[in-house]
Amino acid sequence: EVQLVESGGGLVQPGGSLRLSCAASGFTFKNYDMHWVRQATGKGLEWVSGIGAAGHIFYAGFVKGRFTNSRENAQNSLYLQMNSLTVGDTAVYYCATGLEGWDSWGQGTLVTVSS
Amino acid sequence: QSVVTQPPSASGTPGQRVTISCSGSSSNIGSQNVYWYQQLPGTAPKVLINRNNQRPSGVPDRFSGSKSGTSASLAISGLRSEDEADYYCSVWDVSLTGWVFGGGTKLTVL
Repeated sequence: EVQLVESGGGLVQPGGSLRLSCAASGFTFKNYDMHWVRQATGKGLEWVSGIGAAGHIFYAGFVKGRFTNSRENAQNSLYLQMNSLTVGDTAVYYCATGLEGWDSWGQGTLVTVSS
Repeated sequence: QSVVTQPPSASGTPGQRVTISCSGSSSNIGSQNVYWYQQLPGTAPKVLINRNNQRPSGVPDRFSGSKSGTSASLAISGLRSEDEADYYCSVWDVSLTGWVFGGGTKLTVL
């Protein structure tokens, strides 16, 4: 059974940093593109970043060099290093994957940016 | 404001057929595959349609997708109360070099 488990969310002050993790199991992690998607309370889905099986990385425009997406295939893990956080980054962050469409999602981890 | 546009709401009565539109441009829907997701309250999204019109295993055939030009649609026939959810289209944008989601459509079953 495919399982994705996010962790690392929490409360952080504006300008602060957080590192999110996504632990994957039940599939051959190294062969899959992985994505981060966020959702602010009561708002829609917003793609944050994707990292391909071959390691190419793409970011949404709003990231503006603040976030770094990375993966450690030996650990079946995905990471999102988030720096210079703003109130607008407050959201539930999901990791997601799939060969066609993202058919596997984690439960999400809540990031709250507030003073 | 997303580069792909969905109506914020839709509604229907049980048994009806409803459609949800997703409008984009040549840099996304016009040249790339569209995916549709369903998000039930308090849960993670679930993929309903792959590559414009392909249903993943386990998705009822009441759900169907189509695409024409720079627009795509999700149709739900035989509407049920459990279909009440938020629906999102998603597509790769070649100009932005990133994935974009529509703003989402909240479907209410009256």
